[in-house]
Amino acid sequence: NAGVTQTPKFRILKIGQSMTLQCTQDMNHNYMYWYRQDPGMGLKLIYYSVGAGITDKGEVPNGYNVSRSTTEDFPLRLELAAPSQTSVYFCASSYSGTKNEQFFGPGTRLTVL
Amino acid sequence: EDKVVQSPLSLVVHEGDTVTLNCSYEVTNFRSLLWYKQEKKAPTFLFMLTSSGIEKKSGRLSSILDKKELFSILNITATQTGDSAVYLCAVDSNYQLIWGAGTKLIIKP
Repeated sequence: NAGVTQTPKFRILKIGQSMTLQCTQDMNHNYMYWYRQDPGMGLKLIYYSVGAGITDKGEVPNGYNVSRSTTEDFPLRLELAAPSQTSVYFCASSYSGTKNEQFFGPGTRLTVL
Repeated sequence: EDKVVQSPLSLVVHEGDTVTLNCSYEVTNFRSLLWYKQEKKAPTFLFMLTSSGIEKKSGRLSSILDKKELFSILNITATQTGDSAVYLCAVDSNYQLIWGAGTKLIIKP
Protein backbone atom coordinates (compact mmCIF):
# COMPACT_ATOMS: atom_id res chain seq x y z
CA ASN A 1 0.00 0.00 0.00
CA ALA A 2 1.23 3.49 -0.83
CA GLY A 3 -0.91 4.99 1.94
CA VAL A 4 -1.68 8.68 1.38
CA THR A 5 0.07 10.33 -1.55
CA GLN A 6 0.15 14.02 -2.40
CA THR A 7 1.31 15.94 -5.42
CA PRO A 8 3.12 18.19 -6.01
CA LYS A 9 5.76 18.23 -3.25
CA PHE A 10 6.61 21.88 -3.83
CA ARG A 11 5.00 24.71 -5.75
CA ILE A 12 5.52 28.43 -6.16
CA LEU A 13 2.51 30.47 -7.28
CA LYS A 14 2.09 34.09 -8.19
CA ILE A 15 -0.63 36.12 -6.50
CA GLY A 16 -3.94 35.50 -8.25
CA GLN A 17 -2.99 32.17 -9.81
CA SER A 18 -4.97 29.01 -9.15
CA MET A 19 -3.92 25.43 -8.59
CA THR A 20 -5.13 22.04 -7.40
CA LEU A 21 -3.34 19.98 -4.77
CA GLN A 22 -3.91 16.29 -5.36
CA CYS A 23 -4.46 13.69 -2.63
CA THR A 24 -5.05 9.97 -3.06
CA GLN A 25 -5.33 7.18 -0.51
CA ASP A 26 -5.43 3.44 -1.17
CA MET A 27 -6.57 2.28 2.26
CA ASN A 28 -10.30 2.47 1.47
CA HIS A 29 -10.76 5.07 4.20
CA ASN A 30 -14.05 6.93 4.29
CA TYR A 31 -12.74 10.01 6.04
CA MET A 32 -10.31 12.44 4.43
CA TYR A 33 -8.97 15.78 5.60
CA TRP A 34 -7.00 18.76 4.40
CA TYR A 35 -4.83 20.66 6.87
CA ARG A 36 -2.46 23.56 6.61
CA GLN A 37 0.52 24.02 8.90
CA ASP A 38 2.15 27.41 9.22
CA PRO A 39 5.68 27.67 10.69
CA GLY A 40 5.70 27.06 14.45
CA MET A 41 1.97 26.43 14.49
CA GLY A 42 -0.27 23.45 14.82
CA LEU A 43 -2.38 22.00 12.06
CA LYS A 44 -5.52 23.85 11.01
CA LEU A 45 -8.36 21.92 9.37
CA ILE A 46 -9.41 23.39 6.02
CA TYR A 47 -12.00 20.89 4.76
CA TYR A 48 -12.95 17.33 5.45
CA SER A 49 -15.03 14.59 3.88
CA VAL A 50 -16.87 11.68 5.47
CA GLY A 51 -17.36 9.83 2.20
CA ALA A 52 -17.65 10.20 -1.54
CA GLY A 53 -19.92 13.10 -2.43
CA ILE A 54 -19.88 14.62 1.07
CA THR A 55 -17.63 17.48 2.14
CA ASP A 56 -17.72 20.03 4.93
CA LYS A 57 -15.82 23.10 6.07
CA GLY A 58 -13.22 23.00 8.78
CA GLU A 59 -11.71 25.83 10.77
CA VAL A 60 -10.10 27.81 7.89
CA PRO A 61 -11.98 27.14 4.61
CA ASN A 62 -11.87 30.59 3.02
CA GLY A 63 -9.99 30.68 -0.28
CA TYR A 64 -10.23 26.92 -0.82
CA ASN A 65 -12.59 24.42 -2.38
CA VAL A 66 -12.74 20.64 -2.37
CA SER A 67 -14.57 17.81 -4.07
CA ARG A 68 -14.85 14.10 -3.34
CA SER A 69 -16.09 12.20 -6.37
CA THR A 70 -14.41 8.92 -5.36
CA THR A 71 -13.37 7.29 -2.09
CA GLU A 72 -9.72 7.49 -3.09
CA ASP A 73 -9.32 11.11 -4.20
CA PHE A 74 -9.76 14.38 -2.35
CA PRO A 75 -8.31 17.32 -4.31
CA LEU A 76 -7.95 20.79 -2.79
CA ARG A 77 -8.43 23.77 -5.08
CA LEU A 78 -6.90 27.18 -4.45
CA GLU A 79 -8.53 30.00 -6.38
CA LEU A 80 -6.86 33.42 -6.60
CA ALA A 81 -3.81 32.54 -4.51
CA ALA A 82 -2.76 35.03 -1.83
CA PRO A 83 0.48 35.32 0.20
CA SER A 84 -1.51 34.30 3.30
CA GLN A 85 -1.91 30.85 1.72
CA THR A 86 1.83 30.22 1.88
CA SER A 87 2.00 27.13 4.05
CA VAL A 88 2.57 23.37 4.13
CA TYR A 89 -0.55 21.45 3.21
CA PHE A 90 -1.20 17.96 4.53
CA CYS A 91 -3.84 15.54 3.40
CA ALA A 92 -4.90 12.81 5.83
CA SER A 93 -7.33 9.92 5.96
CA SER A 94 -8.85 7.70 8.60
CA TYR A 95 -11.08 4.66 8.66
CA SER A 96 -13.68 5.89 11.09
CA GLY A 97 -13.47 9.61 11.77
CA THR A 98 -11.62 10.67 14.88
CA LYS A 99 -12.07 7.28 16.57
CA ASN A 100 -9.04 6.11 14.66
CA GLU A 101 -5.63 7.49 13.93
CA GLN A 102 -5.27 9.72 10.91
CA PHE A 103 -2.68 8.76 8.31
CA PHE A 104 -0.91 11.69 6.72
CA GLY A 105 0.53 12.29 3.30
CA PRO A 106 4.04 13.77 2.92
CA GLY A 107 2.77 17.31 2.44
CA THR A 108 2.92 20.01 -0.23
CA ARG A 109 5.00 23.11 0.45
CA LEU A 110 3.30 26.05 -1.25
CA THR A 111 4.74 29.53 -1.58
CA VAL A 112 2.68 32.42 -2.97
CA LEU A 113 4.71 35.42 -4.10
CA GLU B 1 -13.08 28.73 21.70
CA ASP B 2 -11.45 25.31 21.77
CA LYS B 3 -7.72 25.40 22.36
CA VAL B 4 -4.79 23.06 22.96
CA VAL B 5 -1.59 24.40 24.49
CA GLN B 6 1.69 22.53 24.55
CA SER B 7 4.74 23.26 26.66
CA PRO B 8 7.57 23.76 26.43
CA LEU B 9 7.70 25.06 22.85
CA SER B 10 11.20 23.67 22.50
CA LEU B 11 13.53 21.54 24.54
CA VAL B 12 17.18 20.55 24.15
CA VAL B 13 18.52 17.61 26.15
CA HIS B 14 21.36 15.13 25.98
CA GLU B 15 21.08 11.55 24.88
CA GLY B 16 20.01 9.33 27.75
CA ASP B 17 18.00 12.02 29.52
CA THR B 18 14.31 11.62 30.35
CA VAL B 19 11.89 14.27 29.05
CA THR B 20 8.30 15.18 29.87
CA LEU B 21 6.17 17.04 27.36
CA ASN B 22 2.94 18.72 28.40
CA CYS B 23 -0.40 19.24 26.70
CA SER B 24 -3.30 21.13 28.28
CA TYR B 25 -6.65 21.71 26.67
CA GLU B 26 -9.95 23.54 26.89
CA VAL B 27 -12.56 22.10 24.55
CA THR B 28 -16.33 22.00 24.48
CA ASN B 29 -16.82 18.28 23.92
CA PHE B 30 -13.80 16.12 24.72
CA ARG B 31 -13.73 12.70 23.08
CA SER B 32 -10.04 11.76 23.03
CA LEU B 33 -6.50 13.11 23.05
CA LEU B 34 -3.87 12.04 20.55
CA TRP B 35 -0.09 12.35 20.38
CA TYR B 36 1.78 12.47 17.09
CA LYS B 37 5.48 12.64 16.22
CA GLN B 38 6.51 14.87 13.32
CA GLU B 39 9.93 14.52 11.85
CA LYS B 40 10.80 16.37 8.64
CA LYS B 41 7.60 15.39 6.93
CA ALA B 42 4.16 14.16 7.95
CA PRO B 43 2.95 13.49 11.51
CA THR B 44 2.89 9.87 12.58
CA PHE B 45 0.56 8.52 15.25
CA LEU B 46 1.85 7.62 18.71
CA PHE B 47 -1.05 7.28 21.18
CA MET B 48 -4.75 7.86 21.61
CA LEU B 49 -6.04 8.42 25.17
CA THR B 50 -9.67 8.45 26.15
CA SER B 51 -9.74 7.62 29.87
CA SER B 52 -8.07 9.27 32.82
CA GLY B 53 -5.24 7.57 34.63
CA ILE B 54 -4.58 4.76 32.16
CA GLU B 55 -1.01 4.90 30.98
CA LYS B 56 -0.29 4.02 27.37
CA LYS B 57 3.21 2.68 26.70
CA SER B 58 5.22 1.95 23.61
CA GLY B 59 8.84 1.12 24.30
CA ARG B 60 10.48 4.17 25.86
CA LEU B 61 7.45 6.37 25.30
CA SER B 62 4.49 6.59 27.62
CA SER B 63 1.56 8.92 28.04
CA ILE B 64 -1.18 9.56 30.55
CA LEU B 65 -4.32 11.68 30.57
CA ASP B 66 -5.91 13.63 33.42
CA LYS B 67 -9.47 14.56 32.40
CA LYS B 68 -10.14 16.36 35.66
CA GLU B 69 -7.20 18.75 35.32
CA LEU B 70 -7.47 18.77 31.50
CA PHE B 71 -3.95 17.79 30.56
CA SER B 72 -1.78 15.00 29.26
CA ILE B 73 1.93 14.28 29.47
CA LEU B 74 4.20 12.40 27.12
CA ASN B 75 7.29 10.87 28.70
CA ILE B 76 10.33 9.68 26.81
CA THR B 77 12.97 7.81 28.81
CA ALA B 78 16.58 7.10 27.80
CA THR B 79 16.27 9.51 24.88
CA GLN B 80 18.10 8.83 21.62
CA THR B 81 19.02 11.17 18.76
CA GLY B 82 16.26 9.54 16.72
CA ASP B 83 13.72 10.96 19.15
CA SER B 84 14.48 14.44 17.83
CA ALA B 85 11.23 15.69 16.32
CA VAL B 86 8.24 17.93 16.89
CA TYR B 87 5.68 16.25 19.15
CA LEU B 88 2.11 17.28 18.46
CA CYS B 89 -0.87 16.93 20.74
CA ALA B 90 -4.41 16.99 19.33
CA VAL B 91 -7.80 16.81 21.01
CA ASP B 92 -10.90 15.40 19.40
CA SER B 93 -13.68 17.89 20.07
CA ASN B 94 -16.95 17.53 18.23
CA TYR B 95 -15.41 15.06 15.78
CA GLN B 96 -12.66 17.43 14.69
CA LEU B 97 -9.07 17.47 15.87
CA ILE B 98 -7.82 20.65 17.55
CA TRP B 99 -4.02 20.74 17.36
CA GLY B 100 -1.43 22.25 19.64
CA ALA B 101 1.56 24.10 18.19
CA GLY B 102 3.91 21.27 19.14
CA THR B 103 7.05 20.84 21.22
CA LYS B 104 10.30 20.78 19.28
CA LEU B 105 12.59 18.26 20.95
CA ILE B 106 16.30 18.18 20.14
CA ILE B 107 18.44 15.36 21.48
CA LYS B 108 22.17 16.11 21.51
CA PRO B 109 24.61 13.17 21.30
